[in-house]
Amino acid sequence: QSALTQPASVSGSPGQSITISCTGTTSDVGGYKYVSWYQQQPGKAPKLMIYDVSNRPPGVSNRFSASKSVNTASLTISGLQAEDEADYYCSSYTSSSTPWVFGGGTKLTVL
Amino acid sequence: EMQVLESGGGLVQPGGSLRLSCAASGFSFSSYVMSWVRQAPGKGLEWVSSLSGSGAITHYADSVMSRFTISRDNSKNTLYLQMNSLRAEDTAVYYCAKALGSDWSYFGYWGQGTLVTVSS
Repeated sequence: QSALTQPASVSGSPGQSITISCTGTTSDVGGYKYVSWYQQQPGKAPKLMIYDVSNRPPGVSNRFSASKSVNTASLTISGLQAEDEADYYCSSYTSSSTPWVFGGGTKLTVL
Repeated sequence: EMQVLESGGGLVQPGGSLRLSCAASGFSFSSYVMSWVRQAPGKGLEWVSSLSGSGAITHYADSVMSRFTISRDNSKNTLYLQMNSLRAEDTAVYYCAKALGSDWSYFGYWGQGTLVTVSS
């Protein structure tokens, strides 16, 4: 069982917006700014999409945005495109003995 | 162009050992934290270990502590993962990842991975 909880799947139609949640505790998501999101397209390596809760690395589309409230982080993708179909993972620093943890992943299907 | 290329994966028996390598190019290797992250077949991501640019500071997941050793040779721009006492649950694709900037917490650039299969 993953330390961070994500929905197993979400779906949306092209042009719509979707939000993926990532729920943790005060020991991880709620306690630190070190929350990130990764996109993994089928058969590819993961790609960093968001860091420091809401910052985008260079080259990441501004259709991707993120936020955090208490112990839950959220990733929003607006103007859905077919190329957004992928697995999305949240990650956080944690005060536990294993300092970095991932969520279980959410499969995004673009209908 | 930035690149990290993993190698060394393969089939190993339970209790056996394997050493993974990650050859880096296109950036100042010794300036960055490097990490290993794994993904079991059909499963999610699991952070394994991270190492400072100088090689002086290491972190390990509880699941691999005392069995895996991360190291680097900055003269060869190469990261290593020595895996001992391997178990079936260590079967996974192992990714090498470069940190984003100076922050330990973000895996900014990933290789394509190398598959480790632990089975008799």
